[in-house]
Amino acid sequence: GENVEQHPSTLSVQEGDSAVIKCTYSDSASNYFPWYKQELGKGPQLIIDIRSNVGEKKDQRIAVTLNKTAKHFSLHITETQPEDSAVYFCAASPGYSSASKIIFGSGTRLSIRP
Amino acid sequence: SQTIHQWPATLVQPVGSPLSLECTVEGTSNPNLYWYRQAAGRGLQLLFYSVGIGQISSEVPQNLSASRPQDRQFILSSKKLLLSDSGFYLCAWRALDANTGELFFGEGSRLTVL
Repeated sequence: GENVEQHPSTLSVQEGDSAVIKCTYSDSASNYFPWYKQELGKGPQLIIDIRSNVGEKKDQRIAVTLNKTAKHFSLHITETQPEDSAVYFCAASPGYSSASKIIFGSGTRLSIRP
Repeated sequence: SQTIHQWPATLVQPVGSPLSLECTVEGTSNPNLYWYRQAAGRGLQLLFYSVGIGQISSEVPQNLSASRPQDRQFILSSKKLLLSDSGFYLCAWRALDANTGELFFGEGSRLTVL
């Protein structure tokens, strides 16, 4: 089955700087890669996702890149703000239909220093 | 609009006691339903998922079971809790006919087994 590894487990950056979180996956059949943000005491929420037919996707300060050959994908947050502090999870799935399982990485706790 | 409810939000149970966590979804029909567990400092581990009433798939061997007695109700149970069952349990749903793969999570249930 799919295995997703995520690094780093914790990340602290100065406000205004960029943050990068990296993930690798094992199943070459995976073609859907979402990223979730979890604030303290709450359930995760989708912030961005990418499908295997594109290499990069951007939404304001957030971007995700995908390298299918190397089986890795990354989340980039630019101009970080205090509200970006949270736990971020990457995930992989063999498809974006509802019957597909989504396997998550172990999470990255991002802290933004004022 | 769709909503997902989980309860109880927190509970403390002694080892060997039973467990029942409930999850209901409103505003949608035939959702796929999921139970994830988040142990301290770890990622989201998929425990069970269901594509329909009475249809349960188990991802990992464990002390827990799941049931789906109604279309929008998902229950996580245990007959005898272990210390290792402590964690943050998250229910999630996904639309059957969505063209996105987004999982919508509940607010979670924090279980402490003493």
